[in-house]
Amino acid sequence: ETGVTQSPTHLIKTRGQQVTLRCSSQSGHNTVSWYQQALGQGPQFIFQYYREEENGRGNFPPRFSGLQFPNYSSELNVNALELDDSALYLCASSSTGVAGPSYNEQFFGPGTRLTVL
Amino acid sequence: KNEVEQSPQNLTAQEGEFITINCSYSVGISALHWLQQHPGGGIVSLFMLSSGKKKHGRLIATINIQEKHSSLHITASHPRDSAVYTCAVKGLTSNTGKLIFGQGTTLQVKP
Repeated sequence: ETGVTQSPTHLIKTRGQQVTLRCSSQSGHNTVSWYQQALGQGPQFIFQYYREEENGRGNFPPRFSGLQFPNYSSELNVNALELDDSALYLCASSSTGVAGPSYNEQFFGPGTRLTVL
Repeated sequence: KNEVEQSPQNLTAQEGEFITINCSYSVGISALHWLQQHPGGGIVSLFMLSSGKKKHGRLIATINIQEKHSSLHITASHPRDSAVYTCAVKGLTSNTGKLIFGQGTTLQVKP
């Protein structure tokens, strides 16, 4: 069984640039959640993807967007990067039944460390 | 006030000591996670609880739904247990997998 993987592991960008982070969900999981963890803080929910659609969003501006692909992998895109976007970005995968979104245990990837200069 | 509060924020222990980390929450929940994150490492889920108690090796997690409180215990602590321990809850009113995290407890176990 393959765990949750994320790429890249580290990334350095400058203010105003755009970035794409990638996440491959654990085998058998169809739901991906993205979190932002600033230094010294707990993770904050960005959004969740299920059936290739956004299913819930936290308090993040529209320049944070995402995609989910038919193989359940996901991308997080951030446009017009700001210094405060520097953080560890975590994705977590889980399985959701045919009845619709419900809560099952989430398994976290190792994260992508984004630094915005 | 945060919806999920942990105590203590920092904890230093000697190897072999019994450790307790507490988590209180103010919302109705359907599940609570205890998570571990080593320095520079990713997040590992230790337990997911909705009632009662779970045990895995030297780790024990308990939850009291009525009191909105959970504890993580580590018996016979070891330096490799040094990490940040975080509780995170899934709210009853949420239909997504959104987790609300505590601020974490940084544990250092000295040999």
